[in-house]
Amino acid sequence: DAGVIQSPRHEVTEMGQEVTLRCKPISGHDYLFWYRQTMMRGLELLIYFNNNVPIDDSGMPEDRFSAKMPNASFSTLKIQPSEPRDSAVYFCASSLGFSGDPEAFFGQGTRLTVV
Amino acid sequence: DAKTTQPTSMDCAEGRAANLPCNHSTISGNEYVYWYRQIHSQGPQYIIHGLKNNETNEMASLIITEDRKSSTLILPHATLRDTAVYYCIVARGGSNYKLTFGKGTLLTVNP
Repeated sequence: DAGVIQSPRHEVTEMGQEVTLRCKPISGHDYLFWYRQTMMRGLELLIYFNNNVPIDDSGMPEDRFSAKMPNASFSTLKIQPSEPRDSAVYFCASSLGFSGDPEAFFGQGTRLTVV
Repeated sequence: DAKTTQPTSMDCAEGRAANLPCNHSTISGNEYVYWYRQIHSQGPQYIIHGLKNNETNEMASLIITEDRKSSTLILPHATLRDTAVYYCIVARGGSNYKLTFGKGTLLTVNP
């Protein structure tokens, strides 16, 4: 397997624009996590899914953020409208959870810059 | 989920063992201890996890105290490539499996 695949790797957008980040988890993994990392706040868990169902979205900063997982092989994180303070590296991770090996595998991240 | 406390930074000489401590005094019976590390600009990488017994794999050893209130990650022969931020995480098993990262420990391996 190619691992967790995120796209794009880099995104530069203007304030107010919609941004969509994409993630393809490892095939067969039940859990999918979205994280945001900044120097100030570290690595924050935004939301996670189990079997395509959102389990905990308490880390989503505000209504401008939304995440979907329409099927087991794809998830999106959308920011609308984007703001400069959303600039960060966004990571997606997937795992078998405790149905198998609980190791979480992370993608390479998407570096988002909002100007 | 139980909170964890780690030193902000540590240094280690190349070739020596690196011992990274973690306190998790509020851990509950169904929570596991996980260790991940993040090398600059990359996504975090799983190292090891355990419940109450000591664990060893090809990367590291995990020593959990008998009362489970603290643990130590041991890198037996640190190399320059082990310079990274190391995160100790406590997470439940089952369907409430959730990985929440703290600030971690920046380990610098010096030549």
